[in-house]
Formats: sequence, C-alpha cells, structure tokens
Amino acid sequence: GENVEQHPSTLSVQEGDSAVIKCTYSDSASNYFPWYKQELGKRPQLIIDIRSNVGEKKDQRIAVTLNKTAKHFSLHITETQPEDSAVYFCAAYSNSGNTPLVFGKGTRLSVIA
Amino acid sequence: EAGVAQSPRYKIIEKRQSVAFWCNPISGHATLYWYQQILGQGPKLLIQFQNNGVVDDSQLPKDRFSAERLKGVDSTLKIQPAKLEDSAVYLCASSLVGPGGGEQYFGPGTRLTVT
Repeated sequence: GENVEQHPSTLSVQEGDSAVIKCTYSDSASNYFPWYKQELGKRPQLIIDIRSNVGEKKDQRIAVTLNKTAKHFSLHITETQPEDSAVYFCAAYSNSGNTPLVFGKGTRLSVIA
Repeated sequence: EAGVAQSPRYKIIEKRQSVAFWCNPISGHATLYWYQQILGQGPKLLIQFQNNGVVDDSQLPKDRFSAERLKGVDSTLKIQPAKLEDSAVYLCASSLVGPGGGEQYFGPGTRLTVT
C-alpha cells in the first residue's frame, strides 16, 4: 500500500521568511496530493491540492510542487505570518485500486514574530 | 452551509467499556469517512462509506470496531471493548465524491481517553 513520509516534523521560521515542507510517496500510481492545515485543537482543513498532471500550483502565499519521477511533493509558504503556525499534513491518493487517502505524520510549523 | 457535526466532543471511559460516536455529514455528501488520529500523527482511515455501502474498511480492527451508515446519511462508530491504545481523536469527514475527487470536510472530532 501507499506510504507517505513527511519532513521535517517540526519547523520554526521567523515571520516573513519562507517555509518548505517535503513529502515522499511510494505508490507511483498516486495521482492526487492534498495538503491540510490543522490548528491546535481544530479540525484539518484543505489549503491546497495538486494532481499528477500538473507540476506546480500556487494560491497567493502558498504553492505546491510535484516531482512524479522522484515521487516527492513539497509545500512552500512565503512571507510567513504568525497565523500560519499550525500542523501541516500532506497526503497521497491513488485511484488505481481500492486504497485510501494516506496522510503523512505532520509538520508542526511555528512562525516567530 | 453547515459543516460536519460530531458528538460527543470528549469521552473518557475505562478499558473494556464500550463507546459510540455519531457523525452527521454535510448535506448531499455521498462519501463519509472515519479517521483515527493518534497524538502526533496524521489521520488514519478506519472506514469509508459511499452512500450506505462500505468502500474500504481494511484498516478497521473489526474484532472491536464497528461502523454503520444507515440510510446513507448519519453514521455511528462503535468500539467494544475499548483498549488503552484506542485513546485518540476520532474524526469524521465527508466529501461530494470519493477521496481523489477533492476536499474532504472534517468534523471537530471526538477526543477519546481510555483509562
């Protein structure tokens, strides 16, 4: 089955700096890669997603890149703000079989004002 | 639109006791998911329903966990008997289509503590 590895597990950046979180996946048939943000004590919420027919997607200060050959994808947050502080989860999904959406273990991002 | 509703929000039980969680998905969402989120980890799928049928329950510990989605709307997840390692947040989520079709909307979760 699919296995998703996420790094780093914790990340601290100064306000205004950029943050990068990286994930690798094992199933070459995976074709959908969402990123969820979970603030302390709250529910996960989708912030951006990318499909395997696209190499990069951007939404304001957030961007995601996908390298299908290397089977890794990354989340980039520019001009970080204190409200970006949260746990971020990557996930991977393949519709080639009966496999679920598999989440990484999460990255705790702290933005220091 | 109203979000995914879950109850109770918190539950404390002793090991070997039983517990049940309830979920009401977003209206019109055919797919419903139950996830287990252990502290410090990502959500792990326990079971996925499409309307009232089970699509994936490969990671559900069927000797103690059960779930149903009668009438294809609300769902309940039951643990009987509970073990210490079942302490976690149980998240319900729903989506219009399957997991590869777009956003899953999560409920607030039920934090279960087994003592």
